[in-house]
Amino acid sequence: ETGVTQSPTHLIKTRGQQVTLRCSSQSGHNTVSWYQQALGQGPQFIFQYYREEENGRGNFPPRFSGLQFPNYSSELNVNALELDDSALYLCASSLALGKNTEAFFGQGTRLTVV
Amino acid sequence: TQLLEQSPQFLSIQEGENLTVYCNSSSVFSSLQWYRQEPGEGPVLLVTVVTGGEVKKLKRLTFQFGDARKDSSLHITAAQTGDTGLYLCAGENNNNNDMRFGAGTRLTVKP
Repeated sequence: ETGVTQSPTHLIKTRGQQVTLRCSSQSGHNTVSWYQQALGQGPQFIFQYYREEENGRGNFPPRFSGLQFPNYSSELNVNALELDDSALYLCASSLALGKNTEAFFGQGTRLTVV
Repeated sequence: TQLLEQSPQFLSIQEGENLTVYCNSSSVFSSLQWYRQEPGEGPVLLVTVVTGGEVKKLKRLTFQFGDARKDSSLHITAAQTGDTGLYLCAGENNNNNDMRFGAGTRLTVKP
C-alpha cells in the first residue's frame, strides 16, 4: 500500500470524447508524475508536476494536459480520445525533485477507448 | 521508443532455479531503479542503485549497476512462485526529472 490512490480504476470512453483521471498523492509528497503504460510495454513518461507547475514533459501531444492542486493531488486530462490512448495510466508521487528520490505508484486507471 | 533495453522479454522457469535479467542502455544514468509490477497494479520499487559497480542484495535478489552506469542486472536465487511478475528497470539522469522505463521482463515461476 503506497498511499497513492487513483480514480477511477477502470474507464471506457468513445473515440473523440474527453477524459479526466485523478491522482491523490502520498501525504507530504509535492511532486506527481504521470505515465502511460500500453499493453506489454513499460511506462512512458507523460509529464511531471512540482508544486502546481509543470516540470518536464515527455513526447505526448498537447491534448494530454494536467493540473496539480494546492494539496498536491493531480489530474490528467486527455481530449479527443483516440483508440491508441487505450492503456494503463499511472501516477507516481515523490517527496521532492532531485536525484534518486523514491517514487510511489498508484494502482493505475485502465482506460479503454472504443 | 524504449531508452532502456531489457532482456529477456519473457522468462519461464521452474521453482528453485536461478535467473538473471538485464537492463542495458547507451545512456549514462545518475541512478537506476528496479520495480516489480503485478497485473492490475502499479510498479513497486525494489531497489535504487546509484554508484557505478554497486551491488545491492535484497534477500534472494542481487542487483548490480554497471561500472559506467549504463546497465544493470537483477539475479534471483532459488526462484519462488511469488517472484512471478513484470520486472522493470528505470533510469534517471542528471538532465531530466523523469524516469525512463524499459519494456520489462515478464517472469513466470512454475511450481
